[in-house]
Amino acid sequence: AQKVTQAQTEISVVEKEDVTLDCVYETRDTTYYLFWYKQPPSGELVFLIRRNSFDEQNEISGRYSWNFQKSTSSFNFTITASQVVDSAVYFCALTDDYKLSFGAGTTVTVRA
Amino acid sequence: GAGVSQTPSNKVTEKGKYVELRCDPISGHTALYWYRQSLGQGPEFLIYFQGTGAADDSGLPNDRFFAVRPEGSVSTLKIQRTERGDSAVYLCASSLGRGGRETQYFGPGTRLLVL
Repeated sequence: AQKVTQAQTEISVVEKEDVTLDCVYETRDTTYYLFWYKQPPSGELVFLIRRNSFDEQNEISGRYSWNFQKSTSSFNFTITASQVVDSAVYFCALTDDYKLSFGAGTTVTVRA
Repeated sequence: GAGVSQTPSNKVTEKGKYVELRCDPISGHTALYWYRQSLGQGPEFLIYFQGTGAADDSGLPNDRFFAVRPEGSVSTLKIQRTERGDSAVYLCASSLGRGGRETQYFGPGTRLLVL
């Protein structure tokens, strides 16, 4: 069985602060894929990144960066210099094929 | 191009009634998925279509739930004899093909409230 744990339920920061969201996963598969999605108040899940289990390179996209460490089964997400528009629920997800298993999500509130 | 669309955006019904939720995937996407999201939780898988056939319906909670995709594009999730516990956001997603290397793109969801 696959499992994703997002231990942080809520994080509140002041604008321009950095925020790191933790994601720990469990799987018996050697090939798997990890995702991060953003869910703003409008409700739609917005895709942010996909990473496969064979690619441990960290990635940076603008103010977003991801740290994938197979040794600790973690796929953490950092928002640098947060903005009010970053306020949303962020989900980490895992699949070995097509069925996504999601964590419970972390609610990020960025205060002006 | 257009993303995944879902109708209605909100649905209020009474216990025991029948409801249909519609999903229009991204054009050209052969794979379609339904998930259910309860308040404060992550989405949970319900069913996966590859083309017209339901390749995996293991996530459907019971036989009151059924989904179809007759022409391999639009899908309808059908719930019979609704119960209050069915209240949730029903999300539809589509992807170009099957597998984790294909990103699933989600629609805005249908918020179902069963009174």
